[in-house]
Formats: sequence, C-alpha cells, structure tokens
Amino acid sequence: GQQLNQSPQSMFIQEGEDVSMNCTSSSIFNTWLWYKQDPGEGPVLLIALYKAGELTSNGRLTAQFGITRKDSFLNISASIPSDVGIYFCAGQRYNTDKLIFGTGTRLQVFP
Amino acid sequence: GAVVSQHPSWVICKSGTSVKIECRSLDFQATTMFWYRQFPKQSLMLMATSNEGSKATYEQGVEKDKFLINHASLTLSTLTVTSAHPEDSSFYICSAQLVDEQYFGPGTRLTVT
Repeated sequence: GQQLNQSPQSMFIQEGEDVSMNCTSSSIFNTWLWYKQDPGEGPVLLIALYKAGELTSNGRLTAQFGITRKDSFLNISASIPSDVGIYFCAGQRYNTDKLIFGTGTRLQVFP
Repeated sequence: GAVVSQHPSWVICKSGTSVKIECRSLDFQATTMFWYRQFPKQSLMLMATSNEGSKATYEQGVEKDKFLINHASLTLSTLTVTSAHPEDSSFYICSAQLVDEQYFGPGTRLTVT
C-alpha cells in the first residue's frame, strides 16, 4: 500500500534540544495528522491540520500543513525524555475516512 | 472519553490454527472501525475498513478469506486470522471512528509458531 515519506528516519538528540521532522507525498491530501506511538501501544493523535498553510500548536508541538498540500512538518521544542517514541504523519484525502501513514521518525532523547 | 480496547493484548498460536482479536469502543458507538497491521520497525498499513452491519472493505493485497472481519455491533469488531502462518506474526491495531477522528486501540501482538 501507499506510504508517505518521513524524514529523518531516526533522531538522537539531547534533552532540551528542538526537533524538526517532515512528511512528504507525491499526491495531495485534505487533512494531515501527526501521531506518537510508544512501544507496544497504538498511536495517539498529537495534532490535526485541515487547511493548506495552517500552523497549529499543541504545547511544545507545532505542525504545519504545506501550501502545496503534499507535505507537513512537526516541530518539538525543548525536548524532554518522555518525547521518546515513534512519530507518524498520516494523510487523509477528501471524502474518505481512510488514513495513509508515513514511514515514521524514531526519536531518542538523551538526558 | 473515546477509549478503544483490544483483546487479547498478545497471543501465541500454532501454525494452522485460527485466532480471533476483538476491538471494542468502550464509551462511544462507532459505525466504522479500521484494522491495521504493523510489522516490526515499520509503519501502520490499513488492512480493511469495517462497517457495522455490512461486509468489510479490504485493501488491495489483503486476503479477505484469511482475515475475517465481523462488525456485529456499534461497539465491537472482530478480526479472525484463519490458518495462521509464521508470516502472519505482527502487531494488529484497530481504530474506531468518532465524528472525524480515529481513536486507536492498544494493539494485539500475534506470534505464530
């Protein structure tokens, strides 16, 4: 099935640093979503974006819906140890509930 | 609110046997539920869309006779892996749709020996 491309694949950062990751697609989406998955758990929604150009924050997290509707990025500021996990983007097309997930970015935070 | 549970959380079965996984929306009704499969260090891949009272819609490449889905009520969908083989070993995750958001279950780890 189709997947969205996420980069970087993994990140190893020190506590307190800012993190940036992005997600790209060859086709457009009407909704972009960002999820975090802890080991052995299901994904949890962090941020949802519904309009091209939209910039949305949730605490230390900020995400943007790309103008072309083919990409999105997620920033995490002042990382903390509990930010460790896998971050997935997901795209949703118009008139469907189906989600297409990205390849994931694995984040490791060192104290 | 919007809690989704799965049972069992993990299961080990022998090759050739069948195993059933349940997905429940605990505090809301969901006419649509989704089943995903996630192999180690990979992303979630949608297997099928389950609609209450009707047949599931399977994604391309997913064998509907092998992965039987039943959505008999607005709070329960089941996935039965029939004649399981080691290559079916994976993490199976369901989600339930509430308005415009999918809420994910904690997943079921299936190991086929």
